[in-house]
Amino acid sequence: DAGVTQSPTHLIKTRGQQVTLRCSPKSGHDTVSWYQQALGQGPQFIFQYYEEEERQRGNFPDRFSGHQFPNYSSELNVNALLLGDSALYLCASNGGGSEKLFFGSGTQLSVL
Amino acid sequence: DQQVKQNSPSLSVQEGRISILNCDYTNSMFDYFLWYKKYPAEGPTFLISISSIKDKNEDGRFTVFLNKSAKHLSLHIVPSQPGDSAVYFCAASASFSGGYNKLIFGAGTRLAVHP
Repeated sequence: DAGVTQSPTHLIKTRGQQVTLRCSPKSGHDTVSWYQQALGQGPQFIFQYYEEEERQRGNFPDRFSGHQFPNYSSELNVNALLLGDSALYLCASNGGGSEKLFFGSGTQLSVL
Repeated sequence: DQQVKQNSPSLSVQEGRISILNCDYTNSMFDYFLWYKKYPAEGPTFLISISSIKDKNEDGRFTVFLNKSAKHLSLHIVPSQPGDSAVYFCAASASFSGGYNKLIFGAGTRLAVHP
């Protein structure tokens, strides 16, 4: 049973560029959430997708957008990258009303 | 505004002894609390959780205690093992606001268990 998978594992971009990160949820899960983890901090909630719609959003600018596909996989897009966007981006999934989130290993984004 | 705080960035414990990791929260609407463990180059892994209607939950070597009046929870690991060395995150959620599964994390505590 595959868990949450994310791609790519590492990414290097320059300021002003755009990036797309991808996530496949754990089998049987229909809800995908994205978190940003800066160095030395805990994960911060970006947004959550359910039934292909953004259900909740954290305190992140509109440069951060996402999408969920009919197969429940999801993408996180960040436009006009800033140096401060350098972080580990974690995808998490859950389903069946469970509060327990399952996390992927993350995408380490470096903005130069 | 840090709603979930883990005030100890690190903790060192001898193998076989008890590890106690602490977490404080400020939002009284939080009604579900979780602990996650994270190894380097891996995503956080769920460890144990507790609902606000309980004050203790136990799972093998891991026990979580919740003190609602003090807005404090703690994770006890007994006995500690070298494989427990990791970063531990406390997280909380509030179901009232449609905050379904939106977890607020603390900054983490790095636990080192040495022989």
